[in-house]
Amino acid sequence: DTGVSQDPRHKITKRGQNVTFRCDPISEHNRLYWYRQTLGQGPEFLTYFQNEAQLEKSRLLSDRFSAERPKGSFSTLEIQRTEQGDSAMYLCASSSRVGSPYEQYFGPGTRLTVT
Amino acid sequence: GQQLNQSPQSMFIQEGEDVSMNCTSSSIFNTWLWYKQDPGEGPVLLIALYKAGELTSNGRLTAQFGITRKDSFLNISASIPSDVGIYFCAGSYGQNFVFGPGTRLSVLP
Repeated sequence: DTGVSQDPRHKITKRGQNVTFRCDPISEHNRLYWYRQTLGQGPEFLTYFQNEAQLEKSRLLSDRFSAERPKGSFSTLEIQRTEQGDSAMYLCASSSRVGSPYEQYFGPGTRLTVT
Repeated sequence: GQQLNQSPQSMFIQEGEDVSMNCTSSSIFNTWLWYKQDPGEGPVLLIALYKAGELTSNGRLTAQFGITRKDSFLNISASIPSDVGIYFCAGSYGQNFVFGPGTRLSVLP
């Protein structure tokens, strides 16, 4: 079991550019979550997928943010027209329907810096 | 919205000491999770709690789900240097989790 992986680990971009992050969940985990974490805070929920269906989105997920999980495996999170306030760590987590579905396992995160 | 409070915000302890931290909310949760996060890494799940009053251990860690379902605590016994990090509680009523702001633990040799 290789764990949740995220790519890239770090991304520096200029304001106004678009960025895309990728998350590969633990294999056979059907639930996938995206969180945002700023310095000194706990992770904040952004959105949640069960298989390929996006079941819930936070108010934090403005219309500049879009997430997909086209085949129910990996997921992408895109931020369009980035703003300095988007600078944060973006965390992905996955959990399994079987066993304990509430136990979310996190990836290492993608740290985004918008200059 | 739902918010969690964690106390203390930070603590400095001597190696070998026991540690206690807690998490409180004004809302009821049906699941509590405790995570540890090292700098630049994602949170790592330590303990999951599913029932009011439940007491669960994982090695030197013990956590309890409060009877009122509005709080949880985490104890670490005989602390070691690798316990350094930020400890987050997370509460859920359904699929969404709310995380606390964290307790930063420093262990002095």
